[in-house]
Amino acid sequence: SYVLTQPPSVSVAPGTTARIPCGGDNIGSKGVHWYQQKPGQAPVVVISHDSGRSSGIPERFSGSNSGNTATLTISRVEAGDEADYYCQVWDYTTAHRVFGGGTKLTVL
Amino acid sequence: EVQLLESGGDLVQPGGSLRLSCAASGFNFNNYAMTWVRQAPGKGLEWVSSIRGSGLDTYYADSVKGRFTISRDNSKNTLYLQMNSLRGEDTATYYCVKGDHDSNGIDALEMWGPGTRILVYS
Repeated sequence: SYVLTQPPSVSVAPGTTARIPCGGDNIGSKGVHWYQQKPGQAPVVVISHDSGRSSGIPERFSGSNSGNTATLTISRVEAGDEADYYCQVWDYTTAHRVFGGGTKLTVL
Repeated sequence: EVQLLESGGDLVQPGGSLRLSCAASGFNFNNYAMTWVRQAPGKGLEWVSSIRGSGLDTYYADSVKGRFTISRDNSKNTLYLQMNSLRGEDTATYYCVKGDHDSNGIDALEMWGPGTRILVYS
Protein backbone atom coordinates (compact mmCIF):
# COMPACT_ATOMS: atom_id res chain seq x y z
CA SER A 1 0.00 0.00 0.00
CA TYR A 2 1.05 3.57 -0.62
CA VAL A 3 2.75 5.33 2.27
CA LEU A 4 3.06 9.05 2.98
CA THR A 5 5.78 10.13 5.39
CA GLN A 6 5.67 13.37 7.39
CA PRO A 7 7.94 14.54 10.22
CA PRO A 8 6.10 14.39 13.55
CA SER A 9 6.91 17.99 14.37
CA VAL A 10 8.20 21.24 12.93
CA SER A 11 9.03 24.29 15.04
CA VAL A 12 9.58 27.83 13.77
CA ALA A 13 9.72 31.35 15.15
CA PRO A 14 6.94 33.82 14.39
CA GLY A 15 7.46 35.72 11.15
CA THR A 16 9.65 33.03 9.61
CA THR A 17 8.80 30.38 7.02
CA ALA A 18 7.63 26.87 7.88
CA ARG A 19 8.07 24.07 5.38
CA ILE A 20 6.29 20.78 6.02
CA PRO A 21 7.36 17.92 3.75
CA CYS A 22 5.32 14.92 2.71
CA GLY A 23 7.28 12.08 1.17
CA GLY A 24 5.95 9.34 -1.06
CA ASP A 25 7.08 7.22 -3.98
CA ASN A 26 6.74 9.39 -7.09
CA ILE A 27 4.28 11.61 -5.24
CA GLY A 28 4.84 14.23 -7.91
CA SER A 29 2.60 12.19 -10.20
CA LYS A 30 -0.31 12.44 -7.75
CA GLY A 31 -2.51 15.28 -6.61
CA VAL A 32 -1.75 16.22 -3.01
CA HIS A 33 -4.14 17.85 -0.57
CA TRP A 34 -3.22 19.45 2.75
CA TYR A 35 -5.43 19.73 5.84
CA GLN A 36 -5.04 21.83 8.96
CA GLN A 37 -6.48 20.62 12.25
CA LYS A 38 -6.51 22.74 15.37
CA PRO A 39 -7.14 21.16 18.79
CA GLY A 40 -10.73 20.10 19.30
CA GLN A 41 -11.75 21.05 15.76
CA ALA A 42 -12.47 19.22 12.54
CA PRO A 43 -9.82 19.43 9.82
CA VAL A 44 -9.94 22.15 7.18
CA VAL A 45 -8.49 21.86 3.69
CA VAL A 46 -5.84 24.53 3.14
CA ILE A 47 -4.28 23.39 -0.15
CA SER A 48 -5.92 21.14 -2.74
CA HIS A 49 -4.60 19.51 -5.89
CA ASP A 50 -0.95 20.34 -5.09
CA SER A 51 -1.16 24.11 -4.98
CA GLY A 52 -4.73 25.35 -5.01
CA ARG A 53 -5.42 27.55 -2.03
CA SER A 54 -8.85 27.00 -0.53
CA SER A 55 -11.34 29.81 -0.01
CA GLY A 56 -10.52 31.89 3.04
CA ILE A 57 -6.98 30.57 3.39
CA PRO A 58 -4.33 33.31 3.56
CA GLU A 59 -1.90 33.76 0.68
CA ARG A 60 0.84 32.88 3.17
CA PHE A 61 -0.07 29.22 2.58
CA SER A 62 1.27 27.56 -0.57
CA GLY A 63 1.95 24.06 -1.85
CA SER A 64 4.34 22.39 -4.24
CA ASN A 65 4.82 18.84 -5.43
CA SER A 66 7.65 17.25 -7.38
CA GLY A 67 9.55 14.00 -7.47
CA ASN A 68 9.18 12.18 -4.19
CA THR A 69 8.25 15.14 -1.99
CA ALA A 70 5.30 17.48 -1.66
CA THR A 71 5.72 20.54 0.54
CA LEU A 72 3.35 22.81 2.40
CA THR A 73 4.95 26.21 2.90
CA ILE A 74 3.65 28.77 5.38
CA SER A 75 5.26 32.20 5.09
CA ARG A 76 5.33 34.79 7.85
CA VAL A 77 4.14 32.25 10.37
CA GLU A 78 1.72 33.45 13.03
CA ALA A 79 0.78 31.98 16.41
CA GLY A 80 -2.62 31.11 14.97
CA ASP A 81 -1.00 28.74 12.49
CA GLU A 82 -0.16 26.29 15.27
CA ALA A 83 -1.94 23.08 14.32
CA ASP A 84 -1.54 19.57 13.01
CA TYR A 85 -1.09 19.38 9.26
CA TYR A 86 -1.87 16.30 7.17
CA CYS A 87 -1.07 15.54 3.55
CA GLN A 88 -3.33 13.23 1.56
CA VAL A 89 -3.36 11.59 -1.87
CA TRP A 90 -5.41 9.10 -3.82
CA ASP A 91 -3.66 5.83 -4.65
CA TYR A 92 -5.08 4.82 -8.00
CA THR A 93 -3.69 1.28 -7.77
CA THR A 94 -5.91 0.48 -4.78
CA ALA A 95 -8.55 3.23 -5.12
CA HIS A 96 -7.71 4.18 -1.56
CA ARG A 97 -7.26 7.63 -0.09
CA VAL A 98 -4.11 7.83 1.99
CA PHE A 99 -3.17 10.27 4.74
CA GLY A 100 0.26 11.10 6.03
CA GLY A 101 0.85 10.66 9.73
CA GLY A 102 0.57 14.37 10.40
CA THR A 103 2.98 17.10 11.45
CA LYS A 104 2.52 19.24 14.53
CA LEU A 105 3.55 22.82 13.79
CA THR A 106 4.76 24.69 16.84
CA VAL A 107 5.29 28.44 16.74
CA LEU A 108 8.03 29.24 19.22
CA GLU B 1 -24.03 27.57 3.36
CA VAL B 2 -22.74 24.03 3.20
CA GLN B 3 -23.51 22.09 6.37
CA LEU B 4 -22.77 18.53 7.42
CA LEU B 5 -24.02 17.06 10.68
CA GLU B 6 -23.20 13.57 11.83
CA SER B 7 -25.26 11.56 14.28
CA GLY B 8 -25.39 8.03 15.64
CA GLY B 9 -22.23 7.93 17.71
CA ASP B 10 -22.51 5.87 20.88
CA LEU B 11 -20.95 3.42 23.27
CA VAL B 12 -21.05 -0.14 21.97
CA GLN B 13 -19.61 -3.48 22.96
CA PRO B 14 -17.19 -5.40 20.73
CA GLY B 15 -19.07 -7.31 18.08
CA GLY B 16 -21.91 -4.81 18.12
CA SER B 17 -23.31 -2.63 15.36
CA LEU B 18 -24.01 1.06 14.80
CA ARG B 19 -25.28 3.16 11.96
CA LEU B 20 -23.94 6.65 11.48
CA SER B 21 -25.87 9.26 9.56
CA CYS B 22 -24.77 12.55 8.05
CA ALA B 23 -27.34 15.16 7.11
CA ALA B 24 -26.12 17.43 4.33
CA SER B 25 -27.46 20.80 3.23
CA GLY B 26 -26.48 23.81 1.18
CA PHE B 27 -25.32 22.01 -1.98
CA ASN B 28 -26.51 19.59 -4.67
CA PHE B 29 -25.81 16.47 -2.66
CA ASN B 30 -25.98 13.98 -5.55
CA ASN B 31 -23.29 15.87 -7.47
CA TYR B 32 -20.52 15.18 -4.96
CA ALA B 33 -18.55 12.24 -3.65
CA MET B 34 -18.84 11.77 0.09
CA THR B 35 -16.35 10.22 2.47
CA TRP B 36 -16.03 9.00 6.04
CA VAL B 37 -12.74 9.70 7.82
CA ARG B 38 -12.00 8.68 11.40
CA GLN B 39 -9.55 9.75 14.06
CA ALA B 40 -8.72 7.61 17.07
CA PRO B 41 -8.04 9.53 20.31
CA GLY B 42 -4.69 11.28 20.05
CA LYS B 43 -3.98 9.79 16.63
CA GLY B 44 -3.95 10.91 13.02
CA LEU B 45 -6.58 10.88 10.33
CA GLU B 46 -7.61 7.57 8.74
CA TRP B 47 -9.68 7.27 5.59
CA VAL B 48 -12.57 4.82 6.10
CA SER B 49 -14.81 4.82 3.03
CA SER B 50 -16.01 6.88 0.07
CA ILE B 51 -19.01 6.82 -2.24
CA ARG B 52 -19.62 8.53 -5.54
CA GLY B 53 -22.54 10.85 -6.15
CA SER B 54 -24.71 8.22 -7.78
CA GLY B 55 -24.12 5.80 -4.92
CA LEU B 56 -23.14 3.08 -7.37
CA ASP B 57 -19.41 3.10 -6.62
CA THR B 58 -18.06 2.56 -3.14
CA TYR B 59 -14.57 2.25 -1.72
CA TYR B 60 -13.29 0.93 1.61
CA ALA B 61 -10.13 0.87 3.66
CA ASP B 62 -8.79 -2.62 4.22
CA SER B 63 -9.33 -2.22 7.97
CA VAL B 64 -13.12 -1.97 7.57
CA LYS B 65 -13.86 -3.85 4.35
CA GLY B 66 -16.45 -6.54 4.92
CA ARG B 67 -17.60 -4.97 8.20
CA PHE B 68 -18.67 -1.45 7.22
CA THR B 69 -21.06 -0.39 4.47
CA ILE B 70 -21.32 3.12 3.09
CA SER B 71 -24.51 4.27 1.40
CA ARG B 72 -26.42 7.42 0.58
CA ASP B 73 -30.00 8.49 0.05
CA ASN B 74 -29.88 11.36 -2.42
CA SER B 75 -33.58 12.04 -1.95
CA LYS B 76 -32.90 12.77 1.72
CA ASN B 77 -29.46 14.38 1.30
CA THR B 78 -28.11 11.88 3.80
CA LEU B 79 -24.95 9.77 3.97
CA TYR B 80 -24.75 6.60 6.05
CA LEU B 81 -22.15 4.27 7.48
CA GLN B 82 -23.37 0.89 8.73
CA MET B 83 -20.78 -0.50 11.09
CA ASN B 84 -20.90 -4.18 12.04
CA SER B 85 -18.60 -6.46 14.04
CA LEU B 86 -17.14 -3.47 15.82
CA ARG B 87 -13.73 -3.76 17.46
CA GLY B 88 -11.84 -1.74 20.01
CA GLU B 89 -9.68 -0.28 17.27
CA ASP B 90 -12.79 1.25 15.71
CA THR B 91 -13.01 3.65 18.66
CA ALA B 92 -12.68 7.10 17.10
CA THR B 93 -14.34 10.30 16.06
CA TYR B 94 -15.96 9.76 12.68
CA TYR B 95 -16.14 12.68 10.27
CA CYS B 96 -18.50 13.02 7.33
CA VAL B 97 -16.72 14.83 4.52
CA LYS B 98 -17.82 16.38 1.23
CA GLY B 99 -15.52 16.12 -1.76
CA ASP B 100 -14.86 19.09 -4.00
CA HIS B 101 -16.36 17.20 -6.94
CA ASP B 102 -17.65 13.74 -7.86
CA SER B 103 -14.75 11.37 -8.39
CA ASN B 104 -13.36 7.99 -7.46
CA GLY B 105 -10.87 9.55 -5.10
CA ILE B 106 -8.89 12.40 -6.61
CA ASP B 107 -11.22 14.99 -5.14
CA ALA B 108 -10.09 16.99 -2.14
CA LEU B 109 -11.99 16.60 1.12
CA GLU B 110 -13.47 20.05 0.98
CA MET B 111 -15.88 20.32 3.87
CA TRP B 112 -15.89 18.36 7.14
CA GLY B 113 -18.65 17.84 9.65
CA PRO B 114 -17.96 18.32 13.37
CA GLY B 115 -17.72 14.54 13.89
CA THR B 116 -19.46 11.94 16.00
CA ARG B 117 -17.75 9.76 18.61
CA ILE B 118 -17.81 6.00 18.84
CA LEU B 119 -16.43 4.10 21.80
CA VAL B 120 -16.14 0.35 21.53
CA TYR B 121 -15.59 -1.10 24.98
CA SER B 122 -15.88 -4.37 26.82
